[in-house]
Parts: sequence; structure tokens; C-alpha cells
Amino acid sequence: EVQMVESGGGLVQPGGSMRLSCAASGFTFSSYWMSWVRQAPGKGLEWVASIKEDGSETDYVASVKGRFTISRDNAKNSLSLQMSSLRAEDTAVYYCARDRRGSRVAHFDYWGQGTLVTVSS
Amino acid sequence: SYVLTQPPSVSVAPGKTARITCGGNNIENKIVHWYQQKSGQAPLLVISYDTDRPSGIPERFSGSNSGNTATLTISSVEAGDEADYYCQVWDSTDDHVVFGGGTKLTVL
Repeated sequence: EVQMVESGGGLVQPGGSMRLSCAASGFTFSSYWMSWVRQAPGKGLEWVASIKEDGSETDYVASVKGRFTISRDNAKNSLSLQMSSLRAEDTAVYYCARDRRGSRVAHFDYWGQGTLVTVSS
Repeated sequence: SYVLTQPPSVSVAPGKTARITCGGNNIENKIVHWYQQKSGQAPLLVISYDTDRPSGIPERFSGSNSGNTATLTISSVEAGDEADYYCQVWDSTDDHVVFGGGTKLTVL
């Protein structure tokens, strides 16, 4: 059974940092792109970042570029999102998702349950 | 960047058919995916590649894509179908994933 379990969320002050983790199981982690998708309270879904199977490529939404870093450890079946210079508008539930990426196409076939990040003083 | 437009809400009586639209410029030239998100839960893929149902998704869920509108159709709607539904495509201009704003389906 494919599973992703996120951890690391919580309350952080504006300008602070936080690291999210996602533990994956039930599939060959190193064979898939992986992504983070977030959802602000009461709002819709927003793609945040993606990373290639071997970690050689990463991509970010413009609003987090330079502040967030996505990484993976294929030996540990683990995905991470290092977030810095956090802003109130980064407050959201952050989902880890398996990314089915092809040529000019991508979708997310499995999602974790999410972890809430609250940026507030 | 590419914009996907969904109606904020759709209401339907049990047993009837619900149609949730996703508008975009020449969206028929893109591949559309649909997600269901029930209250307090993670999104669930219900339609991929315009019309494909993942394993475990009831046949009542179907998708179509033509012109400037993609449509998620749910036939014989049940109370358990009440959820937010999101469409999603690949924006080839920015090379990024794009989501629609979401549609809240209410079962009357």
C-alpha cells in the first residue's frame, strides 16, 4: 500500500525557518518524482515544489523560490522541504504527493495527510 | 500563466447527475486531471488524463474535455460525493502544475 506521512509542521514566527519531512512507503521511491502541494486555510490547492527521481532537478513556484529547498534521500525513502524566511502567507497545510511526471504532463496519484504550518507572531 | 476557472459551487439532489466544469483557453489541447477533497482529508485523484478512472474510483465518475471546457461528471450522486473538486493541468508556458480554484459540490 502506497503511503506518505508528513511531519515537522507547527507554529513558527515570521522570518523563521522550518523543515518538513515526508516518509514514503509501499512503492519504489527512487523511481518517482515527488512534490509538495499546499493549501492555505479555506483556500484551494497550490503546487509548491517538485524534485526529480534522482534529485538532479528541482522546481519551485515563484513565490517560494530562493526561500524553500526541496530535497530527497532515496536510501531512506524520504522527502524534505526546508523553508526559510517564512511569511504569514506561507501558512497552510503542506501535502507530500507522488508526482507522475511525463513530457509536458504531470499529476499527483497519491497524497499524504498533510502537516499544518502556521506562521504567526 | 495559464488560468483554470471553476464555478465556486454546484448543488445537486441525490440520484441526479452533477457536472463540474473547468474552463481554460483551448483546454482541449491540455491533459486534465481531477481531484476530490472531502472535508478534513487529503485530495484524492478521481480522473486522470481527461477520462481515466484510477483503480477504486466508481464508474459514476467520468471526465471529458472539449474546446475551452473540461467537465467532471458524477452520475447517480450520493451523499458521500459531497466534497471540493479541483481540476489540474500542466502549464507549458511556465512548465508548472496549475490547479483550478475548486468547486464545492453540495448534495441537497
